[in-house]
Amino acid sequence: EIVLTQSPTTMAASPGEKVTITCRASSSVSYMYWYQQKSGASPKPWIYETSKLASGVPDRFSGSGSGTSYSFTISSMETEDAATYYCHQWSSTPLTFGSGTKLEIK
Amino acid sequence: QVTLKESGPGILQPSQTLSLTCTFSGFSLSTYGMGVGWIRQPSGKGLEWLANIWWDDDKYYNPSLKNRLTISKDTSNNQAFLKITNVDTADTATYYCARIAWTGYNAYYFDYWGQGVMVTVSS
Repeated sequence: EIVLTQSPTTMAASPGEKVTITCRASSSVSYMYWYQQKSGASPKPWIYETSKLASGVPDRFSGSGSGTSYSFTISSMETEDAATYYCHQWSSTPLTFGSGTKLEIK
Repeated sequence: QVTLKESGPGILQPSQTLSLTCTFSGFSLSTYGMGVGWIRQPSGKGLEWLANIWWDDDKYYNPSLKNRLTISKDTSNNQAFLKITNVDTADTATYYCARIAWTGYNAYYFDYWGQGVMVTVSS
């Protein structure tokens, strides 16, 4: 099983601040996927195939990485970005998710 | 417009079998490349993938649930199902079904999710 380790677990950012979340895989994966989940709502696809933005996602979001190391970046934090973000791999079964990064607004 | 909606018993007792239904619209599970997955989330915790079923009836399961899972589909009625046998309190969670997007070679993700259904296992 590929274990995905996200960091940090929680963080707070001020409006306008740059945010970076990392996701490390225990084995190499082809792509990393990211989901956004707000309290009481279903997860939403946010970034697919490592760096492609899902429909409707603002371009202040970006993703990058390869192999076992991936990152998720918000270039300029906005209040609406407060949520929990999960990384996810589909390179091998069982499919796995990271434990999530709770991002709060300062 | 793609929509999915989960339904389930709400509450059940330990050792019973949990039966979940995902009713969807906007796509067909008989279409080449289509798939549906089930994912669960205990309250306040992370996401756990359970199973996927594909248009050709291919099925994949999370081995951590040790053969307790059965996924199936009814393409005529646009539904997918998940059964979990011998439930216990650790199976208390919100259960989601999600459509699988196939975006390229070995590239898939869950592109549409249902609202989720809460299931409580309690005696």
